[in-house]
This record gives sequence, structure tokens and C-alpha cells, in this order.
Amino acid sequence: EAQVTQNPRYLITVTGKKLTVTCSQNMNHEYMSWYRQDPGLGLRQIYYSMNVEVTDKGDVPEGYKVSRKEKRNFPLILESPSPNQTSLYFCASRPRIFTGESYGYTFGSGTRLTVV
Amino acid sequence: GQQLNQSPQSMFIQEGEDVSMNCTSSSIFNTWLWYKQDPGEGPVLLIALYKAGELTSNGRLTAQFGITRKDSFLNISASIPSDVGIYFCAGQEYGGSQGNLIFGKGTKLSVKP
Repeated sequence: EAQVTQNPRYLITVTGKKLTVTCSQNMNHEYMSWYRQDPGLGLRQIYYSMNVEVTDKGDVPEGYKVSRKEKRNFPLILESPSPNQTSLYFCASRPRIFTGESYGYTFGSGTRLTVV
Repeated sequence: GQQLNQSPQSMFIQEGEDVSMNCTSSSIFNTWLWYKQDPGEGPVLLIALYKAGELTSNGRLTAQFGITRKDSFLNISASIPSDVGIYFCAGQEYGGSQGNLIFGKGTKLSVKP
């Protein structure tokens, strides 16, 4: 089944303790992206990647890092999490080639992160 | 960065009623997408629009890419309880990076049986 898989689904951590949220896709997509969703603010893009070793900042990159060493994986790293990073996080992917309805990002099921 | 203005923020309707929501931007977009998010899940793509003036249907859903390329609307006809969820517009800004898909803040739809 074609999908974007992120882990964990739920995570509670303490301020300052480094964490990584993993994301993997099995559709051979070039583009991958991380979004955070907060009440009243919709989905805001954190980082995106257009291919291996090619990443760029989205609208809210502060406090986050990403890496794209392999095509299928795009982990999100919080080096020193803070309470304002408590949020619902989504990983997404899509193919580079613009072909009809495949243009839209396919989303994972989300990771709910709480930083205390 | 660029923001999309999506309205209304929420809607409470009776089953069987039609629904309309829209999205506007301050700059030109070359793609408009509409997503639906069910509770506890990630957004799922409903309709994609690629040309100004394009009108596209998917079952009871109809969406249009505005002629000015700065707006889009989504209509749902004869709503049913499973239409409940949050609907997001999203777009690719003209001249922007293809990886940078911008979302609206969502319209939360509630349907009374």
C-alpha cells in the first residue's frame, strides 16, 4: 500500500531533550515536507526537500532541523524542544513530475508531540 | 510568508443542505488544491485545479479555480454526516518553489442529522 509512515504517533517529552520524528514513504517521491498544525493556524510548512540532499526552509523553520540522506526518509529533528513546539506534526510527500492529481502532497497520519 | 484567507472558519448545517467555502490570496497561484481532514488523521486530497477558470467535480464536491488566479471555492451538495471534518484549501504560488505548498487555516464543518 502506498503510504507515508511517521513515528511515533504520540510523544511526550521534556524541554531540552533532543528528539527525532521519523518519516518514510514508499512511493519513490522526490518531494517531502513537514508541516505543523495548531488550532486556528491551519497547517504551516516547516521544511521541505525536493530531492536527496536538497532541503529548504518553509514558513516556520526555527527550532527544527531536517536531513534527506535517502530518498524515502525525511526525519524531523528537534535539538532542544520547547513547550511552544507542542503541536500536531505531519509529514507529506509527492512526485516531482507534474501529472494531474498526483500534484498534491500525500500526508502521513500525524505525530502529536507534547513538550513539558 | 504568503497566507491564504479561508472562510468561513466553521459551519453548522443540517443534513441535506449545500455548503460553500472559499479561499483567497494576495498573489497569483498556479495551482489550487482542496483537502479534507478527518479527526485523528492527516489531510486527504479531494480536488486539484490547475487552470484559471477550471471547474472540477468529484461526486458531490465541485471546486473552481478563480479567473483572477487569486481565489478558489469548494461546494458540497446535499451534505451527509460523513462530510464532517476540516476542509483546507492549499495552493502553489506562481513563481514560488514547487515544494512550498501553502495552506489556509481550514473550515470546520459540522452536520446535524
